[in-house]
Amino acid sequence: KQEVTQIPAALSVPEGENLVLNCSFTDSAIYNLQWFRQDPGKGLTSLLLIQSSQREQTSGRLNASLDKSSGRSTLYIAASQPGDSATYLCAVRRGGSRLTFGEGTQLTVNP
Amino acid sequence: GAGVSQTPSNKVTEKGKYVELRCDPISGHTALYWYRQSLGQGPEFLIYFQGTGAADDSGLPNDRFFAVRPEGSVSTLKIQRTERGDSAVYLCASSLSGGANEQYFGPGTRLTVT
Repeated sequence: KQEVTQIPAALSVPEGENLVLNCSFTDSAIYNLQWFRQDPGKGLTSLLLIQSSQREQTSGRLNASLDKSSGRSTLYIAASQPGDSATYLCAVRRGGSRLTFGEGTQLTVNP
Repeated sequence: GAGVSQTPSNKVTEKGKYVELRCDPISGHTALYWYRQSLGQGPEFLIYFQGTGAADDSGLPNDRFFAVRPEGSVSTLKIQRTERGDSAVYLCASSLSGGANEQYFGPGTRLTVT
């Protein structure tokens, strides 16, 4: 059974800091990995999707890497802003179409 | 274009009652998914539709939960004899087709069973 773990569970940083969120998964036979953002009381917003054949994806200040063989992904956020405060979830797709999610990292960026 | 929409946004019901939650996927998306998210947890898969049929319903927790998608568009998640443990946010997602296509999520329905 696929298990996804995210570390840390919570993170508080001052504005402007660069930060890294970690995601690990137990079964490396995945199709792709997706990072989401969730604001309180809201649904999920897709940030980046990395196919299994890719090593990284970038969007603006966000960069996600994937090391499938070791079962790890990182989400790098550059020059963090208070508006980045949210819960960040990673999810992997193995077989079929279901996503398996981690429990998320709750990020607070302080002005 | 419009994203995935879900109604109602909030639902409070008494233990033992029946509830229906609705999902309107993005137009043209043939794949539709239901997930459940408990407080402080990541979403957990419930069921996946490809067109009108349930391609994978292995995430439904028990036979009190049922979902339909009769015309291959709108889907309804039905919960019978609700229990307090059913309280959660129910999220719906759709994608252009199944497989590895990106899933787009709705805002969710917050269900509270008292």
